[in-house]
Amino acid sequence: DSGVTQTPKHLITATGQRVTLRCSPRSGDLSVYWYQQSLDQGLQFLIQYYNGEERAKGNILERFSAQQFPDLHSELNLSSLELGDSALYFCASSLSNTGELFFGEGSRLTVL
Amino acid sequence: EDQVTQSPEALRLQEGESSSLNCSYTVSGLRGLFWYRQDPGKGPEFLFTLYSAGEEKEKERLKATLTKKESFLHITAPKPEDSATYLCAVRNQGAQKLVFGQGTRLTINP
Repeated sequence: DSGVTQTPKHLITATGQRVTLRCSPRSGDLSVYWYQQSLDQGLQFLIQYYNGEERAKGNILERFSAQQFPDLHSELNLSSLELGDSALYFCASSLSNTGELFFGEGSRLTVL
Repeated sequence: EDQVTQSPEALRLQEGESSSLNCSYTVSGLRGLFWYRQDPGKGPEFLFTLYSAGEEKEKERLKATLTKKESFLHITAPKPEDSATYLCAVRNQGAQKLVFGQGTRLTINP
């Protein structure tokens, strides 16, 4: 158990819909990272927050947004969903900007 | 752009048959090379961090080594429970994120 909690574990929705994925980092960790994993793309970095502020952005679509709240939990919002958005979405946390990342179990999103 | 290439894509071994997984990388100023293990349907589990050429880290049957261009994950006398996908990732001097390779899917047959 990494100490990182993600909900929901599974989510099935339709094209055009909007979903929110939630992540609680390990106790004391200030950085939260979001990654997308699909079969053909591997683990792709989406976005990072550090103590509530956005620190780095990857190839995150404009339809996707994220935030980190004062209690350090984070949410990833995915809107106008397309079939290609079906993937595993992982949250990871670390104590600092340079530390090892600890991953949650992921949220599996299926868009039908 | 930072790149990580892992080989082979898949490897099947018999229990007790030692081997090595390769991770080749190009990065502008390495600030850490990371190895993770991922079981099906689970999140990646941290194994090692290496920072400079010549560094080695060990954990049970696994040993990771680092040169200026690649890293190896050596697995000695593996057991079926070592079956997993092994991921390599790098962080460069200017970035916060980890860039991952596609992974090597390792299967150990009893």
